[in-house]
Amino acid sequence: AQSVAQPEDQVNVAEGNPLTVKCTYSVSGNPYLFWYVQYPNRGLQFLLKYITGDNLVKGSYGFEAEFNKSQTSFHLKKPSALVSDSALYFCAVRDAQGTPLVFGKGTRLSVIA
Amino acid sequence: DGGITQSPKYLFRKEGQNVTLSCEQNLNHDAMYWYRQDPGQGLRLIYYSQIVNDFQKGDIAEGYSVSREKKESFPLTVTSAQKNPTAFYLCASSIGGLRGGELFFGEGSRLTVL
Repeated sequence: AQSVAQPEDQVNVAEGNPLTVKCTYSVSGNPYLFWYVQYPNRGLQFLLKYITGDNLVKGSYGFEAEFNKSQTSFHLKKPSALVSDSALYFCAVRDAQGTPLVFGKGTRLSVIA
Repeated sequence: DGGITQSPKYLFRKEGQNVTLSCEQNLNHDAMYWYRQDPGQGLRLIYYSQIVNDFQKGDIAEGYSVSREKKESFPLTVTSAQKNPTAFYLCASSIGGLRGGELFFGEGSRLTVL
């Protein structure tokens, strides 16, 4: 069965600094990896995905993520954080066989002005 | 505009009452899902459906029921058998069944049992 670990419950970063939100995964075969963002009392919004191809994936709002197969990681990054990036971020994984998406427990990002 | 509509957004019920949460999509997606969100626990899958008139249990299906009579609709009933129903419920859909596509989420329904 697949699983996702987001080791940090909370990440704090100053506005303008780079940010990283960590994610590691476990899955049989090739992973399908996703990042989502959630604002308070709202649904999840899709940021980016990795299925195949380049290990560096670019997504919405200036976010990117790097797929590292040997470390089974898919960390979310942004070169310069904005206060408006403050939200709850979820990493998710599925296998290539069509099983449902499995989500991590989420990381709360706080960007301080 | 295409999207997923969940209703109601907020719902209060007494213990022992069944509650039905509505989820409608106009994205022409084949697959639909219900997740439950609790603080610090991420999203947990309740039920999912890949095609009309078919659905499968997720990780926490006990105390819940669903139907998929139309492609556009996937209502979730929270029954009195669900021991701790207070939570934020999220409906989602995806294109092409379960292969490859990202999930599109509704805005959620917050259920509080008094």
